[in-house]
Amino acid sequence: EVQLVESGGGLVQPGGSLRLSCAASGFTFSSYWMSWVRQAPGKGLEWVANIKQDGSEKSYVDSVKGRFTISRDNGENSLYLQMNSLRAEDTAVYFCVRDIASRAYGSSPGYWGQGTLVTVSS
Amino acid sequence: QSALTQPRSVSGSPGQSVTISCTGTSSDVGGYKYVSWYQQLHPGKAPKLMIYDDTKRPSGVPDRFSGSKSGNTASLTISGLQADDEADYYCCSYAGSYAWVFGGGTKLTV
Repeated sequence: EVQLVESGGGLVQPGGSLRLSCAASGFTFSSYWMSWVRQAPGKGLEWVANIKQDGSEKSYVDSVKGRFTISRDNGENSLYLQMNSLRAEDTAVYFCVRDIASRAYGSSPGYWGQGTLVTVSS
Repeated sequence: QSALTQPRSVSGSPGQSVTISCTGTSSDVGGYKYVSWYQQLHPGKAPKLMIYDDTKRPSGVPDRFSGSKSGNTASLTISGLQADDEADYYCCSYAGSYAWVFGGGTKLTV
């Protein structure tokens, strides 16, 4: 059974940093594109970042480029999101997501973790 | 990276059918066979995959849910509406350059 468990969320001041982690199990982690998707309170889903199986390719939504960094450790079956220069508009539940299938590029969000809440406020 | 366009709300009576549209461009919806649909019962909780690769249904999803696409517009049709189908529904498409784009979401009222 695919399991994705996020951690690291919490309250942070504007301009601060936070590192989210996602522990994966139940599948061959190194075979899948992985992603972060977020949902602000009362808003819709927003894709944040994707990372290729070996970490050689990464992609970000424009609003986080230069501030967020996605990374992975295939030996530890873990996905990370380093978030710097946080803004109030980054407040959201952040979901760790696995691609639907093992493909050459991330095609669709298939499996979702339960999410971790990040609140940016003074 | 503009969001895909979905109606804000749709409604139907039990037993009826409803269709939710998802309009993008030739750079996303129309350019790839990677449109997926999600049901979210409670905001902030994990969405559930209902349709992927435009038309495929994961195991365990009732065949009342079906996906289709024409040009730059994808659609999710739910037939035989049930009360527990009431939820928010989101579409998502691969958008090239290893990126995804979501629709704004549609609230289904049964």
